[in-house]
Amino acid sequence: EAQVTQNPRYLITVTGKKLTVTCSQNMNHEYMSWYRQDPGLGLRQIYYSMNVEVTDKGDVPEGYKVSRKEKRNFPLILESPSPNQTSLYFCASSFGRGNEKLFFGSGTQLSVL
Amino acid sequence: GESVGLHLPTLSVQEGDNSIINCAYSNSASDYFIWYKQESGKGPQFIIDIRSNMDKRQGQRVTVLLNKTVKHLSLQIAATQPGDSAVYFCAEKSTDSWGKFQFGAGTQVVVTP
Repeated sequence: EAQVTQNPRYLITVTGKKLTVTCSQNMNHEYMSWYRQDPGLGLRQIYYSMNVEVTDKGDVPEGYKVSRKEKRNFPLILESPSPNQTSLYFCASSFGRGNEKLFFGSGTQLSVL
Repeated sequence: GESVGLHLPTLSVQEGDNSIINCAYSNSASDYFIWYKQESGKGPQFIIDIRSNMDKRQGQRVTVLLNKTVKHLSLQIAATQPGDSAVYFCAEKSTDSWGKFQFGAGTQVVVTP
C-alpha cells in the first residue's frame, strides 16, 4: 500500500533532550516536506527536500534540522526541544514538479515539558 | 469562508444538502491549488486539485471552482453525508517559490441529521 509512515505517533519529552521523528515513503517520491499544525493555524512548513541531499528551509525552520540521505527517508531532528515546539507534526511527499499532489502521514503529536 | 492563515470558521450543513467552502488567497503568482479533508486524529487526505489554467474541476461529489480575478477558490460538496464531517482546508503553491505550499487554517464542517 502506498503510504507515508511517521514514527512515533505520540511523543512526550523534556526540554533539551534531543529527539528524531522519522518519515518514510514507499512511492519513490522526490519531494518530501515537514509541517507543524497548531490550533487555529494552518499547516506551517518547516523544511522541504526536492531530492536526495537537497533540503531547504520552509517558513518556520528555527529549532529543527532535517537530512535526506536516502530518497525514501526524511527525518526531522530537534536538537534541543523547547515547549514552544509542542505541536502536531506531519510529513508529506509528492513526485515533485509537475505532479505536486501531496500525500500526508498520520502525524506525530509531540509534547515538550 | 477561510483565508490562508486566519481563524477556523464552522459550517453547519444538513445531511443531503450541498456544502460550499470558500478560500481566499492573496498571491497572484499561485498556480496550483489543492483541497484537503482532515478528520480528527488523522492526517490530511487529498480531495481534489486544480491548476490556474482551469476554472472548474469535478470529482466524485466534489467540485472546485477557481476565480483568479478575485483570487477565490471554493469547494462544493454535493449531497453532504455524515462522513463528510471534518476540517477542510485549501493549499496554494506559487510559481515563484516552488516547493513551498501555503495552507489555510481550515473550515470545520459539521453535518447534522
